[in-house]
Parts: sequence; structure tokens; C-alpha cells
Amino acid sequence: GEDVEQSLFLSVREGDSSVINCTYTDSSSTYLYWYKQEPGAGLQLLTYIFSNMDMKQDQRLTVLLNKKDKHLSLRIADTQTGDSAIYFCAERNYGGATNKLIFGTGTLLAVQP
Amino acid sequence: GAGVSQSPSNKVTEKGKDVELRCDPISGHTALYWYRQSLGQGLEFLIYFQGNSAPDKSGLPSDRFSAERTGGSVSTLTIQRTQQEDSAVYLCASSSLRQGLNEKLFFGSGTQLSVL
Repeated sequence: GEDVEQSLFLSVREGDSSVINCTYTDSSSTYLYWYKQEPGAGLQLLTYIFSNMDMKQDQRLTVLLNKKDKHLSLRIADTQTGDSAIYFCAERNYGGATNKLIFGTGTLLAVQP
Repeated sequence: GAGVSQSPSNKVTEKGKDVELRCDPISGHTALYWYRQSLGQGLEFLIYFQGNSAPDKSGLPSDRFSAERTGGSVSTLTIQRTQQEDSAVYLCASSSLRQGLNEKLFFGSGTQLSVL
């Protein structure tokens, strides 16, 4: 089945690290994604990881993938108030007639100054 | 255009009325998606277009929902006889799909639908 789960809310202080977690169910997923949604806006792709990788680093962002446990995390170093947003993880469901991203419920990150 | 454009940005309607939501994808993008975002529900997949055809419409919640795409470009999502539970933000996304490879979805800002 297709199910992606995230915790709903995370609050951190400015300058601290944030870790947002995600679990997924489709072991055949080839790519896993993190999208960011700022208030009143659509989603923007932050980063992605290929399923044969364990880790990907991109500036302040670190993505960790534990394929055995189907667990994905996004770490934001030195979190800033501008990082306050909803973060969605997503897995790609591709095969047969379909090609779509399955999104999680989203985690609201609140950064306290 | 430069990005995915959706209209209207806000729509308030009365229960039982029909509504049409429009999406203009990025020029040249062959794949187009509709998602629905409700409080606490995340993003719910509705339908996927490749060109003008919809190989996956498995997410449409009922037969009151339909969508079409013409000229491989603009798409319209129609909700007939709206109900209060249809209230949500409807998001459209497009991509230049490359079969079997990674693809990046570009999202519009969405249409906030409120059914009174």
C-alpha cells in the first residue's frame, strides 16, 4: 500500500538543528523527496535522495535514508526564522499507468527567535 | 508563463453549486497533477495527466469530480454539486516527465475553495 507518515509539528529555537522524520511503506520507491511549503504558496522541491543512497548533504540540509526501516529524515542545520514552513516528504510511485508522488501529512516547523 | 498558474486563487461557493478550477502548467510540461490539501490530511493525490489523457484518476473522491486537459496544456478540475467537505486548497503541479528518471514537480499557489 501507499502511506507516508510524518509528525505534525516541530518547534525549535533559532540557531538549533531541526530534524523532521518520515516513514513510508512502498519499498519499491526509487526516489524520495522533501518539499517545503511557505504560507499561501505552493510546494517547492528542497532536495531528494535516490533509494540506493544512505545520505545526501546540500548546504544546511542533510537527508538520511534507512531503507531497511523505510525511514527518511531531513536535518536543517542552524535553523533560521525563514525556515518556518510546512515540510512534506514524498515517495515516487511509478509503474504501469501511474506516475505520481505520494505525500505525507506535512510537518509544521516553527522557529522561535 | 514562468510558473504554474492557478485561478481563481480563492473561491467561495454555496453548497450544491458547481465550480471550475483552472490550471495553466509551465509551457512544454507534459505531465500535470491535481492534489487536494486539507487541514491535517496532507496532500491527497487526485489525478495525473500525461498529455491530454489521464492514465491515473484513482484519487478522484467521487463521480462529482472530473478533470480534463486540452491541447496538452490547460487543465480544468470541475466539482459538481459541491459539499462542505470539498472545502480545501486544490493544488496543481506540472513536470517535464522523463520516463524512469527523476522528475521535479513545479506547483502552483493553489485555489482555496470554501463551500458554505
